[in-house]
Amino acid sequence: QSLLTQPPSASGTPGQRVTISCSGTSSSLELNSIYWYQRLPGMVPKLLISKTSQRPSGVPDRFSASKSGTSGSLAIDGLRSEDEGDYFCAAWDDSVSGWVFGGGTKLTVL
Amino acid sequence: QVYLQESGPGLVKSSGTLSLTCTVSGAYIRSYNWWSWVRQSPGQGLEWIGEVHHSGSTNYNPSLESRVTISVDKSRNQFSLRMNSVTAADTAVYYCARDKREQMGPIDYYYGLDVWGPGTTVIVS
Repeated sequence: QSLLTQPPSASGTPGQRVTISCSGTSSSLELNSIYWYQRLPGMVPKLLISKTSQRPSGVPDRFSASKSGTSGSLAIDGLRSEDEGDYFCAAWDDSVSGWVFGGGTKLTVL
Repeated sequence: QVYLQESGPGLVKSSGTLSLTCTVSGAYIRSYNWWSWVRQSPGQGLEWIGEVHHSGSTNYNPSLESRVTISVDKSRNQFSLRMNSVTAADTAVYYCARDKREQMGPIDYYYGLDVWGPGTTVIVS
């Protein structure tokens, strides 16, 4: 059972801006940073956003993220066909001293 | 460049024990980082299993804690996962990952699971 809640699916056309939401609890998102992972088809999960808004080296600036209270969101500008895949939010949850993941959002590029 | 590689049996009998090892190359396991196991069951999302520090300290997912042990072998730069009493619900792709952290003064900074192994499929039958 995921302790972070994401919409199961999202979609957009090439060039559009798409946002994916993630809601958590006071012991996870409100107290700690949010992280986003991208899992493209047949690939290993990749850290997309670190510490709520930081992009690791190599991640295009088309990807951005934010957090407010117990909710966070990932935005993808200039959507491309190669962005199609699964996106997971995550946070450190102080109540369990561990990482919690969202159930994942399947992004489809129409 | 840091690389992680999972190894272990791909088939485990129901009620048996799942054992996997992750070999770390390009980095010392004796760092401030922690080392995690994550799985993804068919059609499901990512599930964090637990993590270990080179000191031997561990954190576990409460839903799996009673069946899981994660340990570290510093001499071999490896860490391992053992899960007992497995059922078909434990069939999944298992990943090992580096949980990157830094300590600056009294504060720990969490950077996320920044390096992942390719994953290994474990089927419980």
